[in-house]
Amino acid sequence: AQTVTQSQPEMSVQEAETVTLSCTYDTSESDYYLFWYKQPPSRQMILVIRQEAYKQQNATENRFSVNFQKAAKSFSLKISDSQLGDAAMYFCAYKAGTASKLTFGTGTRLQVTL
Amino acid sequence: DVKVTQSSRYLVKRTGEKVFLECVQDMDHENMFWYRQDPGLGLRLIYFSYDVKMKEKGDIPEGYSVSREKKERFSLILESASTNQTSMYLCASSLIWAFSETQYFGPGTRLLVL
Repeated sequence: AQTVTQSQPEMSVQEAETVTLSCTYDTSESDYYLFWYKQPPSRQMILVIRQEAYKQQNATENRFSVNFQKAAKSFSLKISDSQLGDAAMYFCAYKAGTASKLTFGTGTRLQVTL
Repeated sequence: DVKVTQSSRYLVKRTGEKVFLECVQDMDHENMFWYRQDPGLGLRLIYFSYDVKMKEKGDIPEGYSVSREKKERFSLILESASTNQTSMYLCASSLIWAFSETQYFGPGTRLLVL
């Protein structure tokens, strides 16, 4: 069975600084997708960024980028120029290519300080 | 934009009551999902449905059932609520065969069982 591990329950970053959230996963599949979702306090969960396993190039979305290390089964999220609005729970998730189900990590709570 | 709505944001029920949680999506998605979210455990899949009247068990289906009579609506049923079902419940939907089948989430229902 696939597993997703987020080893940092909480992280803190100062405004305008850069922070990296860690995620590792375990799978025997060769075709899969990885996602980072953001859940702001009392607000809806939204997709931040996604990565296809077959792509070597790391995905980027504005201030958000990933470091995808396929051999190491690592998928970290880097947030540059952190803003107060980035404060949220961040979940890493895995989906096998042929499946519809997501497997989630336990989440990392990110605090952004002035 | 995809819109996923859930019938209640907060719900308080008594032990033994039958509880219905409703989810509606407006983007003609085939897949719909019910998760529960607990601190330190992340999101865990309860049930999902890939078509009307079709359902599959997720990782923690015990104590729950689901109903999907119309494509846009997916209901989660707690036949006899228990205190250990106090949790946040999240509904999601996705489009089969769409690139990566990204899931879109509702705002969540926080259920308290007394």
